[in-house]
Amino acid sequence: SQQGEEDPQALSIQEGENATMNCSYKTSINNLQWYRQNSGRGLVHLILIRSNEREKHSGRLRVTLDTSKKSSSLLITASRAADTASYFCATGNTGGFKTIFGAGTRLFVKA
Amino acid sequence: DTEVTQTPKHLVMGMTNKKSLKCEQHMGHRAMYWYKQKAKKPPELMFVYSYEKLSINESVPSRFSPECPNSSLLNLHLHALQPEDSALYLCASSQEGGQNYEQYFGPGTRLTVT
Repeated sequence: SQQGEEDPQALSIQEGENATMNCSYKTSINNLQWYRQNSGRGLVHLILIRSNEREKHSGRLRVTLDTSKKSSSLLITASRAADTASYFCATGNTGGFKTIFGAGTRLFVKA
Repeated sequence: DTEVTQTPKHLVMGMTNKKSLKCEQHMGHRAMYWYKQKAKKPPELMFVYSYEKLSINESVPSRFSPECPNSSLLNLHLHALQPEDSALYLCASSQEGGQNYEQYFGPGTRLTVT
């Protein structure tokens, strides 16, 4: 079964607004990662948050992790049209090689 | 060089053909991955190689055959595919295997099986 589930499935916002995406997972993790995928292209790593961290920032990105609720959120502030993409959370089995991606959120930022 | 390259970008093949997908990285990464992605779905892990040895095979049909000739190259040999195998095939690499390392993805090969 999928490790990560994301909501919303799709999100449409105006340029300049903030976008928040959520991810839930089922088992213990060492860390959680977020990736972006532009249409039909390869994925780009955005940020990794470790299980002992609660919040992490990278530029306009803010990621939170709540291990008690097995959930994470990705906030993109002051969105731009270039942020239009699909966003996936990714987790893996502790100590293993397997990476499982969530269903993804498709973000559309209107100029 | 932080790039993962994949060839070809597009591939159309019949169900009786044999073809290969290629992936290359020169970052010194010791783990390499194949994923399959259908439209509007997340990538699904197929195979993981760690130090040139197959570490994970996610119950992939034998018509897909991976090969890791050296630490920089990863191939996926295709034979007798079905139309439902049409998808975007993504290669990735990471410094080591496991969840503590970010994966670098190639642009993918879009495969159409006719």
